[in-house]
Amino acid sequence: EAGVAQSPRYKIIEKRQSVAFWCNPISGHATLYWYQQILGQGPKLLIQFQNNGVVDDSQLPKDRFSAERLKGVDSTLKIQPAKLEDSAVYLCASSLYHRPTNTEAFFGQGTRLTVV
Amino acid sequence: EDKVVQSPLSLVVHEGDTVTLNCSYEVTNFRSLLWYKQEKKAPTFLFMLTSSGIEKKSGRLSSILDKKELFSILNITATQTGDSAIYLCAELNAGGTSYGKLTFGQGTILTVHP
Repeated sequence: EAGVAQSPRYKIIEKRQSVAFWCNPISGHATLYWYQQILGQGPKLLIQFQNNGVVDDSQLPKDRFSAERLKGVDSTLKIQPAKLEDSAVYLCASSLYHRPTNTEAFFGQGTRLTVV
Repeated sequence: EDKVVQSPLSLVVHEGDTVTLNCSYEVTNFRSLLWYKQEKKAPTFLFMLTSSGIEKKSGRLSSILDKKELFSILNITATQTGDSAIYLCAELNAGGTSYGKLTFGQGTILTVHP
């Protein structure tokens, strides 16, 4: 079974530039998460999709971050404009999550973003 | 807001030692507690715990959940250098608009020296 695919693996940009990350979840997984992990911290949820609908985006800085999952499969996360404090690893995860059961989330390799 | 706290934040041991990692949580609508191992970038799944008192085991790793006291422990016996990683604990929410939300603790950095 193919895992969660993310690209690019690494990205270096200057502050105020734009950047986009792509994620393709495991086939059939309805739930997709984007996390931001700053060095030395645990992953912080940015946005959670259930199919193509947003379940939780309460911690997404909406003035500069946006995410979409138009067809309920792959997803993009964009930052525009980037700030120095956005330097982090951006992790995408997916889970086969339908009520009332629950399953674990599987993570992609992440994208390490450095803003200079 | 859901809160997950791990301790210790870092731990340095020698090969062969046994370690216990702690995870406590304060959440509404708790569903499950998950443990992940993060070596480079991608966290890899270890255990999912939903019921109190039932130990889950995989090789040298084991974990148990106490839903009354709101905590979980992850034990690693006979540690090896390959166990060096960040161990993440996460809570899976099962309520209302937070259904399926996965909230992580800050992680425990384990370093195993030869």
